[in-house]
Amino acid sequence: DAGITQSPRHKVTETGTPVTLRCHQTENHRYMYWYRQDPGHGLRLIHYSYGVKDTDKGEVSDGYSVSRSKTEDFLLTLESATSSQTSVYFCAIRTDGNTIYFGEGSWLTVV
Amino acid sequence: AQTVTQSQPEMSVQEAETVTLSCTYDTSESDYYLFWYKQPPSRQMILVIRQEAYKQQNATENRFSVNFQKAAKSFSLKISDSQLGDAAMYFCALMMYSGGGADGLTFGKGTHLIIQP
Repeated sequence: DAGITQSPRHKVTETGTPVTLRCHQTENHRYMYWYRQDPGHGLRLIHYSYGVKDTDKGEVSDGYSVSRSKTEDFLLTLESATSSQTSVYFCAIRTDGNTIYFGEGSWLTVV
Repeated sequence: AQTVTQSQPEMSVQEAETVTLSCTYDTSESDYYLFWYKQPPSRQMILVIRQEAYKQQNATENRFSVNFQKAAKSFSLKISDSQLGDAAMYFCALMMYSGGGADGLTFGKGTHLIIQP
């Protein structure tokens, strides 16, 4: 258990509405990540952060934004949700020993 | 860019037997980490084992061990004495080490492991 909490764990939202997923960690790790998991694709990196207010894009960043105003929180925002963003979203942290641990996942359905 | 390939979409093994899951990868870098993650039906991603590329010795964790062949860019996972609880999707993943950089993981598409009682 790497002290990672994701919220909400399950959400159904309508197309065009904004959605924010929250990742909270308790161990002050510098690096945090957001991934999405879809059938046939494994996990793909959306955005990552290397410190407070320091973020960058990953492989599938279109349609997503992130913010990190505190070390412990990393927020993923879908400005205007689309059906293609229906997915399972995982937050992860990277330890000082270069191991990545994942949160339990957030199931998002866009209808 | 780096890639990770898992060529076995599904594997089946009898309980108590040994099974090996294959993974190959491609990178032009020399410093990196390799991981195997287990994802049971709950969808939680559980770290199984980790290998540092600069270490020649293969990592082991109880019944789980790897065969790391750096020149061949191969990283297979061996599960000994398979148990029903080992049934899951297994993902191989690669992370570059860029001296403090923020590199994330590149994943393979996974192998579904079935344990026959």
